[in-house]
Amino acid sequence: GENVEQHPSTLSVQEGDSAVIKCTYSDSASNYFPWYKQELGKRPQLIIDIRSNVGEKKDQRIAVTLNKTAKHFSLHITETQPEDSAVYFCAASMGDTGGFKTIFGAGTRLFVKA
Amino acid sequence: DAGVIQSPRHEVTEMGQEVTLRCKPISGHDYLFWYRQTMMRGLELLIYFNNNVPIDDSGMPEDRFSAKMPNASFSTLKIQPSEPRDSAVYFCASSFSSYNSPLHFGNGTRLTVT
Repeated sequence: GENVEQHPSTLSVQEGDSAVIKCTYSDSASNYFPWYKQELGKRPQLIIDIRSNVGEKKDQRIAVTLNKTAKHFSLHITETQPEDSAVYFCAASMGDTGGFKTIFGAGTRLFVKA
Repeated sequence: DAGVIQSPRHEVTEMGQEVTLRCKPISGHDYLFWYRQTMMRGLELLIYFNNNVPIDDSGMPEDRFSAKMPNASFSTLKIQPSEPRDSAVYFCASSFSSYNSPLHFGNGTRLTVT
């Protein structure tokens, strides 16, 4: 089955710096890659996603890149702010018999120091 | 829409007791997922349904766990008997019928088994 690895597990940056989180996946059939942000005590919420026919996508300070050949994708946050502090999860989604499933990475805890 | 609704928000029970977690998906979503979140294992997919039919329950840890979806607007996850190692946050999520649709999570149920 699909396996998603995420690095680093913890990331600490100074406010205004950039943060990069990297993920790799194992199943070449995966074709949808969402990223979720989870604040302390709250539910994961989608922040950006990318589909397999796209190499890069940007939304204000957040961007995601995808390399299907290498089976890896990355999240880039520029001009980080204290409110960006949270746990970020990458995920890979693929069609399955009768449905589809989304497998999550282990998460990256991002600390943005003011 | 009120989003995915889970109840209860917190559940504290003694080992050996039966626990029932409830979920109401977003109206119109035909996929429903149950995830378990712990510090050690991250977000684990337990089971998912498509049009009320269980598609993949390979993530259900043991026979003590069972899930049902009697109609399009309600699902339950039951643990009987509960054990301390079942303590975790259980999330329900729903999605439209497509591999490249994001998951919408409920607020979760924090289960503590003493």
